[in-house]
Amino acid sequence: SQQGEEDPQALSIQEGENATMNCSYKTSINNLQWYRQNSGRGLVHLILIRSNEREKHSGRLRVTLDTSKKSSSLLITASRAADTASYFCAEDSWGKLQFGAGTQVVVTP
Amino acid sequence: GAGVSQSPSNKVTEKGKDVELRCDPISGHTALYWYRQRLGQGLEFLIYFQGNSAPDKSGLPSDRFSAERTGESVSTLTIQRTQQEDSAVYLCASSLEGTGNYEQYFGPGTRLTVT
Repeated sequence: SQQGEEDPQALSIQEGENATMNCSYKTSINNLQWYRQNSGRGLVHLILIRSNEREKHSGRLRVTLDTSKKSSSLLITASRAADTASYFCAEDSWGKLQFGAGTQVVVTP
Repeated sequence: GAGVSQSPSNKVTEKGKDVELRCDPISGHTALYWYRQRLGQGLEFLIYFQGNSAPDKSGLPSDRFSAERTGESVSTLTIQRTQQEDSAVYLCASSLEGTGNYEQYFGPGTRLTVT
């Protein structure tokens, strides 16, 4: 069964704008991971944030984690058309990932 | 280096037939996972192998589903007496270890269509 829930379900923005999506989860986690899926490259790992971390950066990506609220957010800055994809958060309970339903992001030129 | 590979990429089968899906993980990865993704949805965990430990089968939806792994290499997912609700993309992933804190590398998936 799917555990995490992403919000919003869909997001449409223009190139150059920032995109923010949120994820809520239910269990105690070892870490939380974000993945991107598009038709061209399949499912690709973006970033992993451990339960004792609060923020992590990777290029134009910024992830935050609030374990007290059981929530995480993914920010994509200065979006590009190539960022068009579905984004999933996944709770890692000691190796087993539980994925949310995803946020579909469309970036228009 | 080579990533996770899966075969076949597409499989169309008639209801009631058995199918076998194959996954080749990244060499040296001790953990291997199978997931199912229905159209427009997230991934559902099916089964997880870690080294020589007993697999975690907690996500298998019914006893028609089974999986095997040979050592730390190839895995096969078998679906017996397929039903139309089994239609989905089946994704395999591997990671360096299965104890958490390692990213998972996904294969391209097998799209299964049951007619």
